[in-house]
Amino acid sequence: GEDVEQSLFLSVREGDSSVINCTYTDSSSTYLYWYKQEPGAGLQLLTYIFSNMDMKQDQRLTVLLNKKDKHLSLRIADTQTGDSAIYFCAESRMDAGNMLTFGGGTRLMVKP
Amino acid sequence: EAGVVQSPRYKIIEKKQPVAFWCNPISGHNTLYWYRQNLGQGPELLIRYENEEAVDDSQLPKDRFSAERLKGVDSTLKIQPAELGDSAVYLCASRISGANVLTFGAGSRLTVL
Repeated sequence: GEDVEQSLFLSVREGDSSVINCTYTDSSSTYLYWYKQEPGAGLQLLTYIFSNMDMKQDQRLTVLLNKKDKHLSLRIADTQTGDSAIYFCAESRMDAGNMLTFGGGTRLMVKP
Repeated sequence: EAGVVQSPRYKIIEKKQPVAFWCNPISGHNTLYWYRQNLGQGPELLIRYENEEAVDDSQLPKDRFSAERLKGVDSTLKIQPAELGDSAVYLCASRISGANVLTFGAGSRLTVL
């Protein structure tokens, strides 16, 4: 079945860039997503990319997709303490009702 | 727009007791999902509805879990009887059919003692 893997933890200093990585196994993925989850809260969609794209930029966020290697990354520029949260990578397939398959999440800690 | 509304936000019960969670999706969203998120893990799909029809419930433990979406709008997820391992956050999400973005509710956190 589908599998999405992420590293568990990332620590950066305020003002630095953060790069969160994700690998997936399903070559039929249609969309790939990044969600943010703060303590006690639901999942907030940050951005998503269609599988035929290789890059998407949205303000401080840059998503890079290497479809050949099935590797997705999220770069956060000028990381702030408010960016501290758990970040989930997810993939979906249109022929599976756009059901999301999530990675285990990467906890980002931003030190002042 | 109210977003996806879930209740209760928190529930503590003893094992073998029943529990129910309620979800009100965004108005007009035909597709509704229930996910379970165990501590320290990503969410996993339990069931997906297209209107009132459950089209994917392969991951729902049917011996103790049940769900319904009678009028194709609100949905309830029930566990009876609850077990210790059911402690988790139960997330509801919805989307308009054909759209590629799901909107999640804040979740219902269940603790089974």
